[in-house]
Amino acid sequence: DTAVSQTPKYLVTQMGNDKSIKCEQNLGHDTMYWYKQDSKKFLKIMFSYNNKELIINETVPNRFSPKSPDKAHLNLHINSLELGDSAVYFCASSQWITSQYEQYFGPGTRLTVT
Amino acid sequence: GNSVTQMEGPVTLSEEAFLTINCTYTATGYPSLFWYVQYPGEGLQLLLKATKADDKGSNKGFEATYRKETTSFHLEKGSVQVSDSAVYFCALGGTGANSKLTFGKGITLSVRP
Repeated sequence: DTAVSQTPKYLVTQMGNDKSIKCEQNLGHDTMYWYKQDSKKFLKIMFSYNNKELIINETVPNRFSPKSPDKAHLNLHINSLELGDSAVYFCASSQWITSQYEQYFGPGTRLTVT
Repeated sequence: GNSVTQMEGPVTLSEEAFLTINCTYTATGYPSLFWYVQYPGEGLQLLLKATKADDKGSNKGFEATYRKETTSFHLEKGSVQVSDSAVYFCALGGTGANSKLTFGKGITLSVRP
């Protein structure tokens, strides 16, 4: 039973398109995250939601919009895709109060913008 | 602000060699420290953690000790295996209400038979 799942695993699209990535966790955690990993493996947090409330919003272009319909789901919508958006996007979850930094990561979505 | 510095990679070792991956940090307060591992094609997994000075985290033969005096959290393993080939990330958990994990750049370890 997958703890943190993401769909799709691979996403190839053209510049200017709009796309979404979905994330679901079945761990009962109250906090979810989106990270971006570039081609050099550098990992940077983008957003975090706690109980459906946005609590971390790093300097990310406003073309990126997260949405958390409930505690178990966090989606990422990207408008007007650019070449520089090509990366692997990871969703993660944790339990905020007891183990905020013990995060469980999904398998990643490799986004390629052509 | 908080930052984590890892030694430059990649690192290539023969099976059964001793591993050390250096990690130092800059932070205010007393952060928690972590090592995460990313196997090929997968997401990150927590490998070990330490929450206060002189704590030693250990898991799967890996160890790291939280050294406040040197602001370090070096990862060690006495005898690496081919299956340890992965990217290793040192990370720092900040203090404060809405703190986040700050990751180092990661280092790729390749272990050859």
